[in-house]
Amino acid sequence: GAVVSQHPSWVICKSGTSVKIECRSLDFQATTMFWYRQFPKQSLMLMATSNEGSKATYEQGVEKDKFLINHASLTLSTLTVTSAHPEDSSFYICSARSSDRATYEQYFGPGTRLTVT
Amino acid sequence: GDSVTQMEGPVTLSEEAFLTINCTYTATGYPSLFWYVQYPGEGLQLLLKATKADDKGSNKGFEATYRKETTSFHLEKGSVQVSDSAVYFCALSDPAQKLVFGTGTRLLVSP
Repeated sequence: GAVVSQHPSWVICKSGTSVKIECRSLDFQATTMFWYRQFPKQSLMLMATSNEGSKATYEQGVEKDKFLINHASLTLSTLTVTSAHPEDSSFYICSARSSDRATYEQYFGPGTRLTVT
Repeated sequence: GDSVTQMEGPVTLSEEAFLTINCTYTATGYPSLFWYVQYPGEGLQLLLKATKADDKGSNKGFEATYRKETTSFHLEKGSVQVSDSAVYFCALSDPAQKLVFGTGTRLLVSP
């Protein structure tokens, strides 16, 4: 149980275009989802926290107009990278937190590798 | 703010060797501590956790003890296998229940 999927697993896009990444909790409801960015040989950097039905909360330094997050249901959150540039190339990882308040455990998706040419 | 420091890798071991990956943390409160593992091409998986001082988390032969006095949560395994090759992340949960990760340590186990 507690499986999180991401789609696509990898994507290549041209500079200036927008890319949408989906994060789904497959067998549980997630009131909160998190989006991370991972640079090569570095740790995961939290970008934003999204709660179902409300606006996402972005970490300091993350441009909310560039990284649009939508959490429309208890099982789906999307991250749209708008007007992508080569420096946005990275590994994007989502996680979903179970609605079970007893654990607060986060379950991670497999990640999406974005390459902007 | 809260932070996690873990030893740089890669850590290269032969099969059946003893493993230690050091992790120390800085936190204002009393965080829960975690070890996550990332196998090649896969997402992070929770390996073990400890929620209070002196707790020992264990799973799949790995263990780590929450040491408040040394603010540490070192990961150990008595006998590693080739299949343990992966990147290991130490993390804590801050008061807002957000995860703060260390930089990760790559473990390479050779036959």
